[in-house]
Amino acid sequence: NAGVTQTPKFQVLKTGQSMTLQCAQDMNHEYMSWYRQDPGMGLRLIHYSVGAGITDQGEVPNGYNVSRSTTEDFPLRLLSAAPSQTSVYFCASSYSMLGTPSGANVLTFGAGSRLTVL
Amino acid sequence: AQSVTQPDIHITVSEGASLELRCNYSYGATPYLFWYVQSPGQGLQLLLKYFSGDTLVQGIKGFEAEFKRSQSSFNLRKPSVHWSDAAEYFCLMRNYGGSQGNLIFGKGTKLSVKP
Repeated sequence: NAGVTQTPKFQVLKTGQSMTLQCAQDMNHEYMSWYRQDPGMGLRLIHYSVGAGITDQGEVPNGYNVSRSTTEDFPLRLLSAAPSQTSVYFCASSYSMLGTPSGANVLTFGAGSRLTVL
Repeated sequence: AQSVTQPDIHITVSEGASLELRCNYSYGATPYLFWYVQSPGQGLQLLLKYFSGDTLVQGIKGFEAEFKRSQSSFNLRKPSVHWSDAAEYFCLMRNYGGSQGNLIFGKGTKLSVKP
């Protein structure tokens, strides 16, 4: 019962470096999303996906790319890291129950990835 | 505009005391409402949710929440707090039929528990 698995848990980057945060879920959930958490800001949506091959932008998408080639995986790419991207990143997934409006979906979160950009 | 407000940034209660965390929402109809808890260094865990029906909902770890339409509130309560309840609590809202793109988070309330 792995749920949502995020790797790495911790990462330190230099400005301008690129990296990928990995997210995998084994629950066959249709929906996956990435959030960043900053002190006093709560969680803000970066990108989300409603199924394989489909992605969309959230509230703070700049500087991040995503793709969804499989149902299980939803990696988040930082192409050129900036100090403003220092944050804790959470991946989440959810499913849509048949006959239930999508607003009722319950999110399952990963444990988070703490990224520091120097 | 749709929003979720958690008025208290930080609350400290004594172990064994009762707890109420406030959550107010702004939305033109009845939304879906959730409370999540985040323990230090951990991800968010669902405590309870309200979709419709009985306005008093029971969750895990002895928590409950009451939906009050007239006050646009969904306050979280626990009758007796344990030291392990120290964490950050988030109230979330999503409107009917909303996609993942419009899940709205409150900014969180940090709970400290005094021995």
